[in-house]
Amino acid sequence: NAGVTQTPKFRILKIGQSMTLQCTQDMNHNYMYWYRQDPGMGLKLIYYSVGAGITDKGEVPNGYNVSRSTTEDFPLRLELAAPSQTSVYFCASTSRAVPGTNEKLFFGSGTQLSVL
Amino acid sequence: GNSVTQMEGPVTLSEEAFLTINCTYTATGYPSLFWYVQYPGEGLQLLLKATKADDKGSNKGFEATYRKETTSFHLEKGSVQVSDSAVYFCALRTQGGSEKLVFGKGTKLTVNP
Repeated sequence: NAGVTQTPKFRILKIGQSMTLQCTQDMNHNYMYWYRQDPGMGLKLIYYSVGAGITDKGEVPNGYNVSRSTTEDFPLRLELAAPSQTSVYFCASTSRAVPGTNEKLFFGSGTQLSVL
Repeated sequence: GNSVTQMEGPVTLSEEAFLTINCTYTATGYPSLFWYVQYPGEGLQLLLKATKADDKGSNKGFEATYRKETTSFHLEKGSVQVSDSAVYFCALRTQGGSEKLVFGKGTKLTVNP
């Protein structure tokens, strides 16, 4: 069982370039999330999705876009990369089949992005 | 708003020492509380959780008790090992169907042999 898979693991971008961070999960989870982790700052939620075709903003959505065309995939798009987007990005998923329960989040191994 | 405050790191201990990592929270209602652990080069993994006051979560020798009166969820382990070296995150999820976890800043633990 692969769980949550993120690609690439590392990437260096120049200012103004664009790229897509890929995330896929094989657990049939309906909820998926993108977080960024800055040193000493914990995790900040960028975007999340409660199911295919539904996405919503988190705390820090500016400069990013997402789509959720399938249950499995939740790509994160950076259109015009800026140095402030240098961070480690984590994708996560969970199943909330029963409202009010507290299933754990499953995390990918992260993408380390540097914008120079 | 909802927030989580963790003790500042890094924390460095010798093997078999006692560990406490403090965590306090601010939230409306009765949140569920979590500790996640991040080993080097990996994503976060759930370590333990508690969903109501006075619940004790435990796993791998780690424990944390949900204290509503002090709004705390401190992580403890009686005897740490080198393999416990990681970053530990306290987190909460509020009631009312919120789909989002709020994380603390993380505390880096290094255990020396």
